[in-house]
Amino acid sequence: DSGVTQTPKHLITATGQRVTLRCSPRSGDLSVYWYQQSLDQGLQFLIQYYNGEERAKGNILERFSAQQFPDLHSELNLSSLELGDSALYFCASSKGLESSYNEQFFGPGTRLTVL
Amino acid sequence: QQQVKQSPQSLIVQKGGISIINCAYENTAFDYFPWYQQFPGKGPALLIAIRPDVSEKKEGRFTISFNKSAKQFSLHIMDSQPGDSATYFCAATAGNQFYFGTGTSLTVIP
Repeated sequence: DSGVTQTPKHLITATGQRVTLRCSPRSGDLSVYWYQQSLDQGLQFLIQYYNGEERAKGNILERFSAQQFPDLHSELNLSSLELGDSALYFCASSKGLESSYNEQFFGPGTRLTVL
Repeated sequence: QQQVKQSPQSLIVQKGGISIINCAYENTAFDYFPWYQQFPGKGPALLIAIRPDVSEKKEGRFTISFNKSAKQFSLHIMDSQPGDSATYFCAATAGNQFYFGTGTSLTVIP
């Protein structure tokens, strides 16, 4: 158990809908990262927040957005969902800002299925 | 464009054998090269990592070999065990941008 929690575990929705994925980082961790894992694209970095502020952006679509709240939990919002958004979404957390100096701990993931 | 190229896609090794997974990159700005292990239904977990100023790092049965001039790095798993059966991802970072390889599914046969 990494100490990172993600809810829900599974999510099934329809195209065009909007969903929110939630992540609670390990106690004391200030950085939260979001990743998408799909069969055709592999594991892709989406976005990083550190202590409430966006600090790095990867291959995140404009239809997706995230935020980190004062209690450090984070939410990933996915809107206008398409079939291709079906994937596993992982959250990871680390103590510090620099990803090359702070080990990331991954949560168990949320499996999103868009029908 | 795949920033980190990983091979092979799958690997079958006998128990006690050596598993070798290779990765290559182009971006010389990358400054950290971690390897992750992922079991089915779980998130990836950091296995071992190396920085470009070191050519080799060993932790137990796991070794990273790093060739800066060739822009290649590899994971060697010595005395492979059935419990090592998992998917392995290499990665490279520049700043806080993370790029992952496509993964290698390792099966260790008893």
